[in-house]
Amino acid sequence: EAAVTQSPRSKVAVTGGKVTLSCHQTNNHDYMYWYRQDTGHGLRLIHYSYVADSTEKGDIPDGYKASRPSQENFSLILELASLSQTAVYFCASSARPNSDYTFGSGTRLLVI
Amino acid sequence: GQQVQQSPASLVLQEGENAELQCNFSTSLNSMQWFYQRPGGSLVSLFYNPSGTKHSGRLTSTTVIKERRSSLHISSSQTTDSGTYLCALENNQGKLIFGQGTKLSIKP
Repeated sequence: EAAVTQSPRSKVAVTGGKVTLSCHQTNNHDYMYWYRQDTGHGLRLIHYSYVADSTEKGDIPDGYKASRPSQENFSLILELASLSQTAVYFCASSARPNSDYTFGSGTRLLVI
Repeated sequence: GQQVQQSPASLVLQEGENAELQCNFSTSLNSMQWFYQRPGGSLVSLFYNPSGTKHSGRLTSTTVIKERRSSLHISSSQTTDSGTYLCALENNQGKLIFGQGTKLSIKP
């Protein structure tokens, strides 16, 4: 069974609307991450967290918020969705830096 | 400039041929990881390889830190190997920096 589960698998959102992407892990990992992937490109880090109730900015945090209410759950929030946020979003977890990462299956977000 | 460069961007081979994928990096690293991304999106971890050579079935990963490169070798390729291969460098701040990926197509 998947150790990192993302929901929804895909979503169509209206410009200016609020979008919440959810991630749940059963790995007992401390670190969780949100990445976005644009067509034909690698992944870029949006936000990450190494402990519950705390989040850190990644490389491209503008327009995104994150929430880590528990060790298992990590959400990505787009308060005002924009066309440029159309992408595939991946959640990942790791026990610590310098260890294997486990990725979820991704969420395809289309903002219209 | 881009800290992690992958080459080639795409590669088309006949089934049975060997594939060599390269990853060059311009920043210091704590580790190098290789991922396989299925058509359709999900990522599968292939290797966590901070240095040296690791083997897994038909796959071999070699990381040479002083030369700032890592490679992924696929021997006797199969059509099911088709997909995108991503390398990712973990820097001193614990962040993964991804390359752009190599899209591999294996023809029957």
